[in-house]
Amino acid sequence: QVQVVESGGGVVQPGRSLRLSCAASGFIFSSFGMHWVRQAPGKGLEWVATIWYDGSKKYYGDSVKGRFSISRDDSRTTVYLQMNSLRAEDTAVYYCARDRGYSPDNWGQGTLVTVSS
Amino acid sequence: QTVVTQEPSSSVSPGGTVTLTCGLSSGSVSTTYYPSWHQQTPGQGPRTLIYSTNTRSSGVPDRFSGSILGNKAALTITGAQAHDESDYYCALYMGSGIWVFGGGTKLTVV
Repeated sequence: QVQVVESGGGVVQPGRSLRLSCAASGFIFSSFGMHWVRQAPGKGLEWVATIWYDGSKKYYGDSVKGRFSISRDDSRTTVYLQMNSLRAEDTAVYYCARDRGYSPDNWGQGTLVTVSS
Repeated sequence: QTVVTQEPSSSVSPGGTVTLTCGLSSGSVSTTYYPSWHQQTPGQGPRTLIYSTNTRSSGVPDRFSGSILGNKAALTITGAQAHDESDYYCALYMGSGIWVFGGGTKLTVV
């Protein structure tokens, strides 16, 4: 069955970097776009970034543009989120999801990122 | 900046029917926004119910249906059950590689 598993979260100081990974299985990874979506404590969902199925296009939310970078490795069926210049407001659970019909689908359980000194 | 609007809360009786809506602060929602609906219970990751306006995601019962009602996207739950009590989020594809989520609706089954 379709499965995505996020990893790489943790506690990091403001201004530092962190890389999240999302390992996918159960589908032809190279045929699907992938999303990152986050949820700050007690808040709603916020779209973060999307990469096209072939990696040709990458898109970012305004709050992370210029600081975060999404990439994929089809040989490892893994999508990454490189997060630089982290801020306290980036503290959230980060979810990975496969795209389906221009929508996130098949979500993972998330990985918690805490930005704090 | 376009805002995606949802009712903050809604309630339904067990066995009843409820419709949640998803609108835009400016303009109308249409199928070209590929509206999707996502259910989330506390402490869990989201689960997609509907994508592309009215297509049920794998394993989603047909009690859940999506549509366009007037100028909004809508999620209708029929035969509501206690475990439907959750937060429900809609998402719209704004084009040019941009997605926006609504603020969510907290559904109570009472």
